[in-house]
Amino acid sequence: DQQVKQNSPSLSVQEGRISILNCDYTNSMFDYFLWYKKYPAEGPTFLISISSIKDKNEDGRFTVFLNKSAKHLSLHIVPSQPGDSAVYFCAVGNTPLVFGKGTRLSVIA
Amino acid sequence: DTGVSQDPRHKITKRGQNVTFRCDPISEHNRLYWYRQTLGQGPEFLTYFQNEAQLEKSRLLSDRFSAERPKGSFSTLEIQRTEQGDSAMYLCASSLAGLGDNEQFFGPGTRLTVL
Repeated sequence: DQQVKQNSPSLSVQEGRISILNCDYTNSMFDYFLWYKKYPAEGPTFLISISSIKDKNEDGRFTVFLNKSAKHLSLHIVPSQPGDSAVYFCAVGNTPLVFGKGTRLSVIA
Repeated sequence: DTGVSQDPRHKITKRGQNVTFRCDPISEHNRLYWYRQTLGQGPEFLTYFQNEAQLEKSRLLSDRFSAERPKGSFSTLEIQRTEQGDSAMYLCASSLAGLGDNEQFFGPGTRLTVL
């Protein structure tokens, strides 16, 4: 059974608009949450993280929101740029990390 | 320091052969992880080391798989008697245990194709 779910396999967004990627998890014991970005033929690149004591963390165009009661986190990218087109993985846990299956984001110019 | 490196980047082998992959972590990182990723899936944990000690192994890591980190620096992952189901991207990551140690930094991966 999947502990981490990214229910949207793909998402298309116009350049300049907001991209919202979602992730749900099942285990309330998880206390650290991360987003990774992956380009083809490369390993995942760490993007942003949040601990369970916070509900929001912001880094430039990227903001992660955590709703512990709903066991849900989201990544907002504003404004979206064509270079943001990649597969985004949600990862949760301590050591080791548990990853979702990813959402392919396409930002259209 | 240029980050986590892995060698080789690609490996094609015949079923039944043994293969070995190498990972060099970020130099000051004491934790090293191995993950496997197949098409349409996220990375799946295989095993991890803190310094030279192997602290956890996934049930995905069958008896044909063995990993070492002899001096607490680079690590090797060996697969014996490869099977077609072993075809995947093998990813290595490293981190520094302590504050923010969940932020694992990944290498480019080794893509294994078993014919």
